[in-house]
Amino acid sequence: GENVEQHPSTLSVQEGDSAVIKCTYSDSASNYFPWYKQELGKRPQLIIDIRSNVGEKKDQRIAVTLNKTAKHFSLHITETQPEDSAVYFCAVLYSGGGADGLTFGKGTHLIIQP
Amino acid sequence: KAGVTQTPRYLIKTRGQQVTLSCSPISGHRSVSWYQQTPGQGLQFLFEYFSETQRNKGNFPGRFSGRQFSNSRSEMNVSTLELGDSALYLCASSAAAKNIQYFGAGTRLSVL
Repeated sequence: GENVEQHPSTLSVQEGDSAVIKCTYSDSASNYFPWYKQELGKRPQLIIDIRSNVGEKKDQRIAVTLNKTAKHFSLHITETQPEDSAVYFCAVLYSGGGADGLTFGKGTHLIIQP
Repeated sequence: KAGVTQTPRYLIKTRGQQVTLSCSPISGHRSVSWYQQTPGQGLQFLFEYFSETQRNKGNFPGRFSGRQFSNSRSEMNVSTLELGDSALYLCASSAAAKNIQYFGAGTRLSVL
């Protein structure tokens, strides 16, 4: 099955600075890579996703880059704000082998320092 | 459009009991996936249903089972509960397999 590694587990940045979270995956057949944000006590919310035929996608202050050759993808948040504080999960859609669901990274706790 | 609805929100059970959790997907969504979230293991895929058929299953013991009804609502059952089953159980629905998944608020299960 798929294996997803996410780093760092905790990231503290000053308000206004940028934050970068990285994930690597193992199965080259994986083709869908969403990022979810989960605030304390709330459900995971999709914030951005990318498919394997695209190298980069941007939505306002959030961007995701994908390197299929190296099997890693990253979330970039620019001009961070207090409301960006949350746990962020990367995920990979693993196709085949009997478990065709999202495989999640362990999460990154992003802390925005005022 | 109403979002994904999970009931109940909280459950307290004792070891050895069984429990049934319910998930109503977004209207029109036919795929429902279930996940277990714990502080130690993170979010782990349990199984996925599409048109009343379980298509995919994660690496969980047979005590975890589910089903989907003709209206796409899904239930998850855990039999012979263990302390380690204490977790937040999330379901997610999507319009078709491999499309964007939208999560419910979850059911927090505590096993005493």
